[in-house]
Amino acid sequence: DQQVKQNSPSLSVQEGRISILNCDYTNSMFDYFLWYKKYPAEGPTFLISISSIKDKNEDGRFTVFLNKSAKHLSLHIVPSQPGDSAVYFCAASANTGTASKLTFGTGTRLQVTL
Amino acid sequence: DTAVSQTPKYLVTQMGNDKSIKCEQNLGHDTMYWYKQDSKKFLKIMFSYNNKELIINETVPNRFSPKSPDKAHLNLHINSLELGDSAVYFCASSQGDSRTDTQYFGPGTRLTVL
Repeated sequence: DQQVKQNSPSLSVQEGRISILNCDYTNSMFDYFLWYKKYPAEGPTFLISISSIKDKNEDGRFTVFLNKSAKHLSLHIVPSQPGDSAVYFCAASANTGTASKLTFGTGTRLQVTL
Repeated sequence: DTAVSQTPKYLVTQMGNDKSIKCEQNLGHDTMYWYKQDSKKFLKIMFSYNNKELIINETVPNRFSPKSPDKAHLNLHINSLELGDSAVYFCASSQGDSRTDTQYFGPGTRLTVL
């Protein structure tokens, strides 16, 4: 049961343009969402997060939007840079009162071209 | 001065063997994790320790045994390796076990079982 889905395995965007990466979830208990970025041969690194009490969180060129009714979130990167080329993982967690447990999507590979 | 390190980076072994993967973090974090990324790119949590105490234990075969000798180390021992154990194993750590505590990942250990 894939509770976090990233339906686009890859995305190619020109440098300077906007990159939009999408993520859908099915578990209505999820209320905290994160994006991680992963370069080849490295572990994922935290990028940005959003709590369900918000619908938008911005950090520099990165903005995450959350649509709770649609169970959908997206990551916008503006402007895209070649160094942004990586695999982006969406993750979610529920407030179950127990220890932090992240559920990850399968990732979207972003290629930023010159 | 790598924050979360794993050894070895690559591990190739025969079915039926027993192997260990080591993880160390120098961030002073209290919580450590093991994740498995399979061939379909699903990144799934296996175990989590907080202050050397097991706090998350997902449905993992008991051939997998984590051991935390101290807060800075979390090793993963796998008995009687099977073909399906082939995957990339990531160690991670966070300050605490709250879901808002950022998890920092190691570079991964690619395990290949022949």
